[in-house]
Order: sequence, then C-alpha cells, then structure tokens
Amino acid sequence: QQPVQSPQAVILREGEDAVINCSSSKALYSVHWYRQKHGEAPVFLMILLKGGEQKGHDKISASFNEKKQQSSLYLTASQLSYSGTYFCGTEIEYLWGNEKLTFGTGTRLTIIP
Amino acid sequence: DSGVTQTPKHLITATGQRVTLRCSPRSGDLSVYWYQQSLDQGLQFLIQYYNGEERAKGNILERFSAQQFPDLHSELNLSSLELGDSALYFCASSVEVRPYEQYFGPGTRLTVT
Repeated sequence: QQPVQSPQAVILREGEDAVINCSSSKALYSVHWYRQKHGEAPVFLMILLKGGEQKGHDKISASFNEKKQQSSLYLTASQLSYSGTYFCGTEIEYLWGNEKLTFGTGTRLTIIP
Repeated sequence: DSGVTQTPKHLITATGQRVTLRCSPRSGDLSVYWYQQSLDQGLQFLIQYYNGEERAKGNILERFSAQQFPDLHSELNLSSLELGDSALYFCASSVEVRPYEQYFGPGTRLTVT
C-alpha cells in the first residue's frame, strides 16, 4: 500500500518553514525521507525507526507517530537549496525476509527568494 | 556523486526489443535495489539483491529480470518492451540487507518507441 503524502505541492518564500506529511494504512517499522531535485537522483535525508531511533540530516527534522502510522518532515528556515520533490518511503512491519520501501507520490517544494 | 554508477545514461529502443541496464554499487555496499520512475510518478520498487541473492521483490513484471554478480554489480534485463516501459530506471545501493540509507545512481532513461 502506497503511503499518502500531503500536501502534493507547496510554494514558500526563503526563510519560511514547511511541514510535509506521510501517512500509511499499514503498521510501519520505519519511515524514510528522500529529496529529489529536478533531473537528479533521490538523495537520502532521514530515517525513523520504530522505537524512536532516528538518523538524519542537520537542519531537517522529522517525527514518527507509531500509533497513527504517520510521519512528518520539518524544514525550518527554508533555503533555496531545499527546493525539490520530497518522497517518504515506508517499510511495513513483519515482512521479514522481504523488507522493502514503498514510496509515496511525492511533495513538490518550491522555495522562492 | 553518490558513488553508484549506471550505464547507459540514455537508451532508445523499439517495442518488442530487449535491453540490459547495468549498475555498480558503492564500494562496500552489498545491497542493490532497482526502481522504476515514470513521468510524474513516484519511485516503484522492482527488486533487491543482497550479496548475490535475491532478497525482496516488488511489482516487477515477469518480462523483467535481474541478477547480481560476484563482483556485486547488477544488471536489470527488460524484454518484450512495451511503450509503457518508458521510464527512468534507478539503481540504489546500501550497506545493510535492510533498505536503509540507499544511495541512488544517476539513472538510465529508457525510451521505447
């Protein structure tokens, strides 16, 4: 089941904050965030594991609500370099031996000066 | 530069043909993943290999197959190509068997005419 991301697109001015949400209908073991700039490959940003362990990226933070199967990515004091499409990838719990990421359809973030 | 290489960069072929996409993972990475990204679509997971063995499978068509060789490079074979197979194909690699912190290659743009 593909996770649902919201909003689909957002335009911000430099310095403003952004929140991108990711929601799944399945019990999750982990949530991953990637950013893809136009014409480039996705780049890893953040992983959130069930139980609270988190590996991330400075200036970008995220939360994982295990009970609601939801994650949010927080971009504070956005910079022009933050522009791109953000994908969340979810790993469903209990799929031992077949762990895989299912990516959402993305949130396009545009930062303007 | 992620350290993951993919060849060729672009591929144009006709319907019904067969093509092979090649990927070399980052040094030290044992997992290789293949993804398909169609226009305006998210990343669709196809298949994962870990240390030469198939590990996880996504929505990979029967016309598609992959393998990972002893030197850990991987190939994705697409046969009986259809117009709908036109897409960007990404390879990613990671250290672990679980799909954590994947590093994506630049992609192969496949156009089927």
